[in-house]
Amino acid sequence: QSVLTQPPSVSGAPGQRVTISCTGSSSNIGAGYDVHWYQQLPGTAPKLLIYGNSNRPSGVPDRFSGSKSGASASLAITGLQAEDEADYYCQSYDSSLSGSGVFGTGTKVTVL
Amino acid sequence: QVQLVQSGAEVKKPGASVKVSCKASGYTFTKYYIHWVRQAPGQGLEWMGIINPSGGDTSYAQNFQGRVTMTKDTSTSTLYMELSSLRSEDTAVYYCARVVSAWVQKGAFDIWGQGTMVTVSS
Repeated sequence: QSVLTQPPSVSGAPGQRVTISCTGSSSNIGAGYDVHWYQQLPGTAPKLLIYGNSNRPSGVPDRFSGSKSGASASLAITGLQAEDEADYYCQSYDSSLSGSGVFGTGTKVTVL
Repeated sequence: QVQLVQSGAEVKKPGASVKVSCKASGYTFTKYYIHWVRQAPGQGLEWMGIINPSGGDTSYAQNFQGRVTMTKDTSTSTLYMELSSLRSEDTAVYYCARVVSAWVQKGAFDIWGQGTMVTVSS
């Protein structure tokens, strides 16, 4: 069961900006744990997109950005492209679960 | 290059056990914590647990306590995840994933194995 809530789906036309929210609680994101974001294309392993709330690994386009505020975080994709169509997951840790890792429910991004 | 290579697909009967391997290469094996994550067909990601490849200490998700065992073999740079008392709901792709920073337990996962499909069916 996921303790981080994301919208099931978001969509946008090419070139548009979309955002994905990740809502947690005082025992995970609100407790100060960092939020990380992953992109998963069909049939492949997840790929790290954003780490430490807002940092992009080498090779990730700057169209992807992350932010965190309180017990929530968000991922923004600007200049949406066809290849951005994928599932996106946020991830953090939870002190009420003995520091266990937790994932968001996942969001399907559709490029119209 | 840095990579994690997992063992092949498995088909098991209910009640059996499965052991998935994850061979690390391209980096110092003992420096980076490894997590295990699974994904049931059409579902989201589920965190299973973590192992310290240096000391071998582990921590498991409550959902898997008593059924999962994570081990390591430093001589071959290989991690293992064994899940017992399998049921149909355990049908999933199982991933190993490396934490992005050395010596950090709770971090992002920058390197993932290719995944191992485990099917539980009578």
